[in-house]
Amino acid sequence: NAGVTQTPKFQVLKTGQSMTLQCAQDMNHNSMYWYRQDPGMGLRLIYYSASEGTTDKGEVPNGYNVSRLNKREFSLRLESAAPSQTSVYFCASRLRAQETQYFGPGTRLLVL
Amino acid sequence: QQQVKQSPQSLIVQKGGISIINCAYENTAFDYFPWYQQFPGKGPALLIAIRPDVSEKKEGRFTISFNKSAKQFSLHIMDSQPGDSATYFCAASANFGNEKLTFGTGTRLTIIP
Repeated sequence: NAGVTQTPKFQVLKTGQSMTLQCAQDMNHNSMYWYRQDPGMGLRLIYYSASEGTTDKGEVPNGYNVSRLNKREFSLRLESAAPSQTSVYFCASRLRAQETQYFGPGTRLLVL
Repeated sequence: QQQVKQSPQSLIVQKGGISIINCAYENTAFDYFPWYQQFPGKGPALLIAIRPDVSEKKEGRFTISFNKSAKQFSLHIMDSQPGDSATYFCAASANFGNEKLTFGTGTRLTIIP
């Protein structure tokens, strides 16, 4: 039981490049989330998915797109990376009947 | 607008002392208040949580105190240990089953020998 896994662990991009951050969970959770963590800003919700086939915007969705590929996988795409998107990105998942969110180990992204 | 305000930003406590982190919220619809603990290089993990029908919840050395009228809640770590050194986030959400957690800005706690 791996929990929530994220790939890659670290990525360097140039401004304007695109990339997809991958997230998968093996806990049969219904809901999945993408957060970004910046110094002094805490964790801010980018997008979430309450169930397979649905996605909703969070607090800071601009510049990002998401895909809930199936129940296990939730990806985050940066179409044209900007330096302001330099951050640590966390994926999380939750069982609908419970309130606890389980976080992955994070992806550190640097946009030059 | 920050809906959950957390203080202090950083805290240094001597081993064996009491660590106290405070949070204040604005949305009176919030009804679930968790604290998450994050070690360097790791994702946050749930430490302890409280619902507003009780004023205090204790799990081992960790206690949440909740003041509904003041819209404040705090985390107390008794007998603080070097292994407690981490970043702590308070959070809040409204309506059981609601999808969104609103996090505070975090407190970096350092326990010194």
